[in-house]
Amino acid sequence: AQKVTQAQTEISVVEKEDVTLDCVYETRDTTYYLFWYKQPPSGELVFLIRRNSFDEQNEISGRYSWNFQKSTSSFNFTITASQVVDSAVYFCALSGIAGGTSYGKLTFGQGTILTVHP
Amino acid sequence: SQTIHQWPATLVQPVGSPLSLECTVEGTSNPNLYWYRQAAGRGLQLLFYSVGIGQISSEVPQNLSASRPQDRQFILSSKKLLLSDSGFYLCASLRGNEQYFGPGTRLTVT
Repeated sequence: AQKVTQAQTEISVVEKEDVTLDCVYETRDTTYYLFWYKQPPSGELVFLIRRNSFDEQNEISGRYSWNFQKSTSSFNFTITASQVVDSAVYFCALSGIAGGTSYGKLTFGQGTILTVHP
Repeated sequence: SQTIHQWPATLVQPVGSPLSLECTVEGTSNPNLYWYRQAAGRGLQLLFYSVGIGQISSEVPQNLSASRPQDRQFILSSKKLLLSDSGFYLCASLRGNEQYFGPGTRLTVT
């Protein structure tokens, strides 16, 4: 069975601080995908990134960066110079390949509530 | 690009009443579709998924059912709501290997 653990329930920072959200996963699949989603107060889930299990390159997108380490089954998310608008719940998720028996189903972590204070 | 519509946006229903939530998808054909529920406390749980018209798979035993009468329409139903059915219901569609979510329906059962 697949499992995603986000050990940090809540994080509170002051604007301009850097913050890292941790994600650890478990799967028996050899090929899988990892995701991060943002859920602002409106409730809609916003897709941030997808990472393939065979691509361990770190990725940077503006103030966001992701560190994927297969050896430790972790996929951590860092926000540099945080802003108030970054306040949201962030979810890490895992799926098998869409064409396989997992049918692209997502297993979510419990989420981390990030609050950025001005 | 793909757009997912859900309605209603919010709903307050008494215990024992029926439920019908609708999800429609634009901009794609024959997508995999999913229903998730987010109860108070943030976690998202997969309820149902569908790989085609009339094909529904249930992930957890519950008081709800799903149907897919058309390629881009996914419906979540209940004959009699329970208090425990309260939550935020999200419909999602698969594009490639990424799921995109609709705006959600917030259901309160009183």
